[in-house]
Amino acid sequence: EPEVTQTPSHQVTQMGQEVILRCVPISNHLYFYWYRQILGQKVEFLVSFYNNEISEKSEIFDDQFSVERPDGSNFTLKIRSTKLEDSAMYFCASLAMVTGELFFGEGSRLTVL
Amino acid sequence: AQSVTQPDIHITVSEGASLELRCNYSYGATPYLFWYVQSPGQGLQLLLKYFSGDTLVQGIKGFEAEFKRSQSSFNLRKPSVHWSDAAEYFCAVGARAAGNKLTFGGGTRVLVKP
Repeated sequence: EPEVTQTPSHQVTQMGQEVILRCVPISNHLYFYWYRQILGQKVEFLVSFYNNEISEKSEIFDDQFSVERPDGSNFTLKIRSTKLEDSAMYFCASLAMVTGELFFGEGSRLTVL
Repeated sequence: AQSVTQPDIHITVSEGASLELRCNYSYGATPYLFWYVQSPGQGLQLLLKYFSGDTLVQGIKGFEAEFKRSQSSFNLRKPSVHWSDAAEYFCAVGARAAGNKLTFGGGTRVLVKP
């Protein structure tokens, strides 16, 4: 069964460093999303992406964040200068247009020290 | 704007007993509704979804949920809980009009007593 894959599964970084989280969405999907879950809290929408541009972003998605689809398969989330409060699990998802179902990856845990 | 409320933060249930998790949503149009399960440190696994049609939907692992438009609810049920059902459960609402963006509830942590 096709799946969304994310790398790395866990990354530890120092505050102020840049981080890139990578996602490979399901191959024929066109809409992509990033969500964030701070430990013990609910899953929050960050950004949606379609046709090589952001279609919607939340208040969380400030200038420190950016997304890119650098090639035909990868979808990346970059945090330019990490803060302690960026520590969270980040989930990538892609959308099956026919069914309207989002498929989530296993997540990338980011720990900022 | 979409919103989801899961009134119960924690639920403890005995193994073999029935389980019901509550979910109330707010959305102006017909929503898509989902239940996800998350084991500690793991990703989100889809249990079931409602898009249209029959309001009682069956999912994986013996779970079912019922969409009640009049109550804006989408409660999740399981007749007999297994120890492996201990996890956190998230209800989510989405809609094509909202770009299929999902809004999640705060989650309900289920503990299963032997």
